[in-house]
Amino acid sequence: GAVVSQHPSWVICKSGTSVKIECRSLDFQATTMFWYRQFPKQSLMLMATSNEGSKATYEQGVEKDKFLINHASLTLSTLTVTSAHPEDSSFYICSAARRFSNQPQHFGDGTRLSIL
Amino acid sequence: AQKITQTQPGMFVQEKEAVTLDCTYDTSDPSYGLFWYKQPSSGEMIFLIYQGSYDQQNATEGRYSLNFQKARKSANLVISASQLGDSAMYFCAMREGRGSNFGNEKLTFGTGTRLTIIP
Repeated sequence: GAVVSQHPSWVICKSGTSVKIECRSLDFQATTMFWYRQFPKQSLMLMATSNEGSKATYEQGVEKDKFLINHASLTLSTLTVTSAHPEDSSFYICSAARRFSNQPQHFGDGTRLSIL
Repeated sequence: AQKITQTQPGMFVQEKEAVTLDCTYDTSDPSYGLFWYKQPSSGEMIFLIYQGSYDQQNATEGRYSLNFQKARKSANLVISASQLGDSAMYFCAMREGRGSNFGNEKLTFGTGTRLTIIP
């Protein structure tokens, strides 16, 4: 099946630093990538939808200046958490999809972000 | 209003028994798809099964089957002969629409059910 690689899987950093998370589709061209956030024991909440070559569409309540998303190619999207603070600590997970495909979205393994 | 409702926050099931995880949905779009994902404690989302709104038959994938009742707007997941490795969170999700953006629609997730298989 399709593989989506997400890196890093775990990151711990100091408050105020910026953290970049990469999401790569390894064996198919992803026209769209999605970024989700999941708090402990809660469901996945969609943060933004990223289409290749265009600006990301953010869900209501998500700060676009805080969570920078870039989708420069059909195989790579990045999420940068700028000036991270402890409240940004969470599990971030991406998924990749292909237009006009009936296949399910394929998820990365997620990134656990802990801000001290 | 919630688009995906999973009313069972947690379930305990004896090993080798069958288990049904409930999911109801709400949409006015005639074209939609329903998914079940498994999330072990390690965090990855594992796709289990998919049902399209126009599919005539209930979807099956190995030990997983989807009991799709369109009139009731329910899409329950049935796991037969449960195994210890089935212990995980299970999420029901829906995508709507089949327009020009087909394949790229965002998913709406339910709150999940934590399934624990007892040896």
